[in-house]
Amino acid sequence: EDQVTQSPEALRLQEGESSSLNCSYTVSGLRGLFWYRQDPGKGPEFLFTLYSAGEEKEKERLKATLTKKESFLHITAPKPEDSATYLCAVDDQGGSEKLVFGKGTKLTVNP
Amino acid sequence: DTGVSQDPRHKITKRGQNVTFRCDPISEHNRLYWYRQTLGQGPEFLTYFQNEAQLEKSRLLSDRFSAERPKGSFSTLEIQRTEQGDSAMYLCASSLAGVSTQYFGPGTRLTVL
Repeated sequence: EDQVTQSPEALRLQEGESSSLNCSYTVSGLRGLFWYRQDPGKGPEFLFTLYSAGEEKEKERLKATLTKKESFLHITAPKPEDSATYLCAVDDQGGSEKLVFGKGTKLTVNP
Repeated sequence: DTGVSQDPRHKITKRGQNVTFRCDPISEHNRLYWYRQTLGQGPEFLTYFQNEAQLEKSRLLSDRFSAERPKGSFSTLEIQRTEQGDSAMYLCASSLAGVSTQYFGPGTRLTVL
């Protein structure tokens, strides 16, 4: 059974204090790993798709990386507007088209 | 660029009532998904359609839940005889077949009193 574990559950940073969020996954075969941002009361907003180990993608202050067992979302010099819950999800090659999500990391960036 | 839309955004109902939610996917997307999210959890898969065919249903989808996508465009999710445990955010997503990235709508927040 596919499993996705995110850590930490919650993270508080000062503005400008860089850090990383972790997503560990177990799948039979990875078709894709996804990062989403979710603000309170809203639907997940797509950030990145990663397909193979070694792949990296960047968008503004965010950089996502992928290994065979985990993914990291690096946040460089965060701002208060980066405060949100960050969700990781996997799509398994095993046949199902569903995404399996972790519980998310709630990020708070204080000014 | 029109994203995924959902209606209503909020629904409050009494236990035992039936409710129906609507999802309009991104226009060129032929796959449509329903997920449910409770507080502090990630979204959980309920069901998905490719065009008008419902191809997979989760064990979470009890016989009180039914979903349709009659013309391969919008979809409806109906919950009959609602229970307090049905209170959650119901999310719709869409994608193109062969491209696994799913784009989510704003969700419908259901509260069962």
